[in-house]
Order: sequence, then C-alpha cells, then structure tokens
Amino acid sequence: DIQMTQSPASLSASVGDRVTITCRASQGIRNDLGWYQQKPGKAPKRLIYAASKLQSGVPSRFSGSGSGTEFTLTISSLQPEDFATYYCLQHNTYPWTFGQGTKVEIK
Amino acid sequence: EVQLVESGGDLVEPGRSLRLSCTASGFTFRDYAMNWVRQAPGKGLEWVGSIRKKDSGGTTEYATSVKGRFSISRDDSKSIAYLQMNSLKIEDTAVYFCTRGYTNPFDCWGQGTLVTVSS
Repeated sequence: DIQMTQSPASLSASVGDRVTITCRASQGIRNDLGWYQQKPGKAPKRLIYAASKLQSGVPSRFSGSGSGTEFTLTISSLQPEDFATYYCLQHNTYPWTFGQGTKVEIK
Repeated sequence: EVQLVESGGDLVEPGRSLRLSCTASGFTFRDYAMNWVRQAPGKGLEWVGSIRKKDSGGTTEYATSVKGRFSISRDDSKSIAYLQMNSLKIEDTAVYFCTRGYTNPFDCWGQGTLVTVSS
C-alpha cells in the first residue's frame, strides 16, 4: 500500500499568515493527488485536484504543487474561514490512501 | 445541482449486517465511478471502496480492513450506490460518506450517515 505522510499534524497560525502543508508518498504517484478541507461536523470539500488544479469556486489563496512523491498545499493569506482540518489523498493505486490530516488552528 | 444523499445508518450489534444507500441527483450517474469513505469518531478519513462505471467493467475495489465483509453495488436505473456491510465490528463505527469520481475523484460528497456498532 502507498503510505501518505502528511505534516505537520497540527499548526497554529494567525489571520494573514502563509501556511504550507506537505504530503509525502511512499512511492511515486505522478500527480494523482487531491487536497480536501473539512470543518467539524461537515463533509470534506475538495480544494485541489491533479496536485495543482484549483477546484472551481475555491479561493485563489489556495494552491497546490508537486509531482511524484512530494506535494504541498499552500494558503497564501490565512482567512478566518480557513481554520479546519486538511487532508491529502492519493488515487494513483488502490487502496487509495489519505494523509493523517493537518489541523489548522487559530494562534 | 449535483447532490449525494446517504441513508441507512443505524445502531447495530457486532456481527450483524447493514446496507447503506447513496442516492444521486443532478448528474448522469452511470457515467461515474462511485466511492465510499468513512471517518471514525475523532479520527481521519479512510477510503472504504469503489465501484467503477459499467462502461469500465463495473468492478469493485476495497480497503484491506473491509475486504470480504463489505460489498459495493450500483443500480444505474435508480441512480443509487449501495454499501452492504456484513460481519460488522466495533471498529466499523464511523460516519460513512458517499463520493463520486475516478480520474479526479471526490469532487462531490454526501452529508454522511452514522453507523454505530455496539452491543
């Protein structure tokens, strides 16, 4: 199985900060990676697909990059509504696997 | 509007069975693979399984943790995907989400349905 190692597990940041979350795959997955945001009690929401493509309707402060085994999600200027948990997902090889999640909290 | 609505979640005893449904609307159901994802209380997301569209063989894939116990099926005439869960274990307790897609999956999610396995 492909392991997705996501870091950090949590972070504290202030409104306006630049935030970067990383996912590392245990083997190459091309660009078969998505990023998801989840708020408490809600279903996840896709932010990024194909590693770097912005989902329609998602603010441009979110961006994704990477290919192969190293991927990043960047929030250029953190907004109050961005405090949530973020997950990466690899869908290159079954079983599809999520990262462990990164909880973004208010500093 | 694309919509996925899960139903069928319940409190069940260990060893029993349960079937979840995912009713889709707002898109051509037969053109999409369908997937199930779960989230145990306070934990992260776990992919459960997928069923391809009929044009791609309609075949299924499962997580190791549920293989042999869970099965996914679909009724394209009704736009419904099913998750049949047998021999349920306490560790299957989770909110189960239905999602769609294969090439760039999980663009749309249902609201989830809670399955609690307890004696």
